[in-house]
Amino acid sequence: DSGVTQTPKHLITATGQRVTLRCSPRSGDLSVYWYQQSLDQGLQFLIQYYNGEERAKGNILERFSAQQFPDLHSELNLSSLELGDSALYFCASSVDLLAGNEQFFGPGTRLTVL
Amino acid sequence: TQLLEQSPQFLSIQEGENLTVYCNSSSVFSSLQWYRQEPGEGPVLLVTVVTGGEVKKLKRLTFQFGDARKDSSLHITAAQPGDTGLYLCAGEPSGTYKYIFGTGTRLKVLA
Repeated sequence: DSGVTQTPKHLITATGQRVTLRCSPRSGDLSVYWYQQSLDQGLQFLIQYYNGEERAKGNILERFSAQQFPDLHSELNLSSLELGDSALYFCASSVDLLAGNEQFFGPGTRLTVL
Repeated sequence: TQLLEQSPQFLSIQEGENLTVYCNSSSVFSSLQWYRQEPGEGPVLLVTVVTGGEVKKLKRLTFQFGDARKDSSLHITAAQPGDTGLYLCAGEPSGTYKYIFGTGTRLKVLA
């Protein structure tokens, strides 16, 4: 158990819909990262927040957005869903920016768009 | 685009054999991490290498960071079926603020 929690574990929805994925980092970790993993794309970095502020953006679509709240939990919002958005979405956390970027991953949310 | 290329992409070996996985980039990294991922689960951190030329051992696993901090390797001695999984190197190219994962090496150890 990494100490990072993600909900829900599974999500099935239809094209055009909007969903919210939630992540609680390990106690004391200030950084939260979101990743998308699909069979053909590997593990893709989406976005990173550090202590409530956006720090880095990766290959995140404009239809996707995220935020980190004062209690440090984070949410990833996916809207106007397409079939191709079906994937595993992972959240990870790390202590701070100087900790060698060692990240601890949650169990993931499997999103299926029908 | 910064890339972390891993080789081989797939590896199927017999129990007891040795193997080496390579992670290469044209970018310099302040540190590199190695993770192992089981199907349907999140990656699990194995080790972080920080100093050029550094060698770290974790039981039968030996990790090395290249002198120029652009590449790394993972050597497994006497592989066991429990070593089966997807091995990923990862890091943040210096100055980019973007954490990237390698292309992955899928290892299968047969009993």
